[in-house]
Amino acid sequence: ETGVTQSPTHLIKTRGQQVTLRCSSQSGHNTVSWYQQALGQGPQFIFQYYREEENGRGNFPPRFSGLQFPNYSSELNVNALELDDSALYLCASSLAWGVDEQYFGPGTRLTVT
Amino acid sequence: AQSVAQPEDQVNVAEGNPLTVKCTYSVSGNPYLFWYVQYPNRGLQFLLKYITGDNLVKGSYGFEAEFNKSQTSFHLKKPSALVSDSALYFCAVRGIYGGATNKLIFGTGTLLAVQP
Repeated sequence: ETGVTQSPTHLIKTRGQQVTLRCSSQSGHNTVSWYQQALGQGPQFIFQYYREEENGRGNFPPRFSGLQFPNYSSELNVNALELDDSALYLCASSLAWGVDEQYFGPGTRLTVT
Repeated sequence: AQSVAQPEDQVNVAEGNPLTVKCTYSVSGNPYLFWYVQYPNRGLQFLLKYITGDNLVKGSYGFEAEFNKSQTSFHLKKPSALVSDSALYFCAVRGIYGGATNKLIFGTGTLLAVQP
């Protein structure tokens, strides 16, 4: 196991609703990244947080937002859910510098109906 | 733009035979390359990485990968496949996008099926 945990495991929401997904990073890792993995696809980078500030964003709209807390936990918030938001959401923690590998959590499966 | 390509959606191999999962990359500058494995309903597990140095990289579970700069490839290999190796394999390159220096750009994945 990587030491990265995510909650909840599964979630079903209705289009237009808002959702918050949570991640607890590996101890000592001050960088967390969030990825969206649609069915049959590779993970796509959403954004990264370093020391509680957003440090880069992929091609995702502003309704995807996040928070990182001092205790190595973080959140991904998605507003105005759309059907295409249905996916597995993965968080990954790493050290900010160097080329260390990222350690992934098990993911949250979000279904939007 | 940085990218990786995994040309095979699925690779079939008999248990005990060698396996290769292919990956090619496109980057500007030195590539930082990774292989991850994903089992059903699980997150990604790190297998190995190439940063610099020896072109043959050894990783977890008996896997290795060969970096070939002239062919811009980073193929994953294992001398003797196990049924338990059956999973989805992702190649990834580290990108730099808006300051997110640890952003990973993933391929589309290759499903490895090992038959007993």
